[in-house]
Amino acid sequence: EAGVAQSPRYKIIEKRQSVAFWCNPISGHATLYWYQQILGQGPKLLIQFQNNGVVDDSQLPKDRFSAERLKGVDSTLKIQPAKLEDSAVYLCASSLQGNEQFFGPGTRLTVL
Amino acid sequence: GIQVEQSPPDLILQEGANSTLRCNFSDSVNNLQWFHQNPWGQLINLFYIPSGTKQNGRLSATTVATERYSLLYISSSQTTDSGVYFCAVRGGYQKVTFGTGTKLQVIP
Repeated sequence: EAGVAQSPRYKIIEKRQSVAFWCNPISGHATLYWYQQILGQGPKLLIQFQNNGVVDDSQLPKDRFSAERLKGVDSTLKIQPAKLEDSAVYLCASSLQGNEQFFGPGTRLTVL
Repeated sequence: GIQVEQSPPDLILQEGANSTLRCNFSDSVNNLQWFHQNPWGQLINLFYIPSGTKQNGRLSATTVATERYSLLYISSSQTTDSGVYFCAVRGGYQKVTFGTGTKLQVIP
């Protein structure tokens, strides 16, 4: 069974530029999560989808971050414009119905 | 939201030693997982354990939901056990919250 796929694995941009991350969950998993992990901290949930609907986005900085999961399968997370403090690893996870989560390898973002 | 604290924050072990990692949470939970984040950053599932006890090889975990804590036991530690261990919880319809992590270093 294929795991959670993410791309790109690494991205370096300058502040005020835009960036997008892609995630393809495990086949059949209805719940998809995006997390931000800053160096030395635990992952912080940004947004949770159930199929193509948003369950929780209370910690998503909506002035610059957006996410979509239009067909209830893969998802895109966008940052526009990026700030220095957005440098982090962005992790995607999926679960069958909101229970056990499985994580992808992450995208390491550096904002210069 | 739920507060999650892990202890100890750092742990250095000699290869072959045993250890116990603790996860305390501030409210009732219906979902608890333990993860190992390896030095390359990958989060690896160890246990899905909202209650009870589970074992997998040298690792075992116990969650006492009524007393709001979970324990992860590592026996006969190996250098490949090095990394950061996280617990993650969710209560009711609340969002998933990760703990502060325990950084483990196993030396030969």
